[in-house]
Amino acid sequence: EVQLVESGGGLAKPGGSLRLSCAASGFSFSSYNMNWVRQAPGKGLEWVSSISSSSDYIFYTDSVKGRFTISRDNAKNSLYLQMNSLRAEDTAVYYCARDLTGLRLFNWGQGTLVTVSS
Amino acid sequence: QSVLTQPPSASGTPGQRVTISCSGSSSNIGSSYVYWYQHLPGTAPKLLIYGNNQRPSGVPDRFSGSKSGTSASLAISGLRSEDEADYYCAAWDDSLSGYVFGTGTKVSVL
Repeated sequence: EVQLVESGGGLAKPGGSLRLSCAASGFSFSSYNMNWVRQAPGKGLEWVSSISSSSDYIFYTDSVKGRFTISRDNAKNSLYLQMNSLRAEDTAVYYCARDLTGLRLFNWGQGTLVTVSS
Repeated sequence: QSVLTQPPSASGTPGQRVTISCSGSSSNIGSSYVYWYQHLPGTAPKLLIYGNNQRPSGVPDRFSGSKSGTSASLAISGLRSEDEADYYCAAWDDSLSGYVFGTGTKVSVL
């Protein structure tokens, strides 16, 4: 069974940092592109970042460029999101999601809540 | 602010057909596949439609997708109470070099 389990969320101050992790199991992690998607309170889904299976291709939404860094460790079956210079508008539930070939965001984790507040 | 526009809400009675529109541009829907996701609050979103009109295994054929030019739509036929959820369209945007979601549509079953 495919499982994606996010962790690392919590309360951070504006300007602070957090590192999210996503532990993957039940599939060959190194073969698939991975993503982070977020949902702010009362708002819709927002794609944050994608990373290819071998980390060759990385993309970010404009609002996090220069502040967030996506990475992965295929040996540890783990996806990461390093979030720096956090802002109140980064407050959201963050989901990691797996792409299948031709099927974007096919598997999702349950999400981890990030709250940015002083 | 999303580049894909959806109506904020849609509703119907059990058994009815509901259609949700998604309006984009040549840089996203006009040049990429469209995807649709179902999201119930407190749960993980679920992929409903990929490749404009394809259903992953396990998604009922009551859900169907279509695309024409820079717009797409999701139809739910034989509406059921468990279809009450938020629905999002999405596509890759070549200009933004990123994946974009629609504004989301809340479907209510009256």
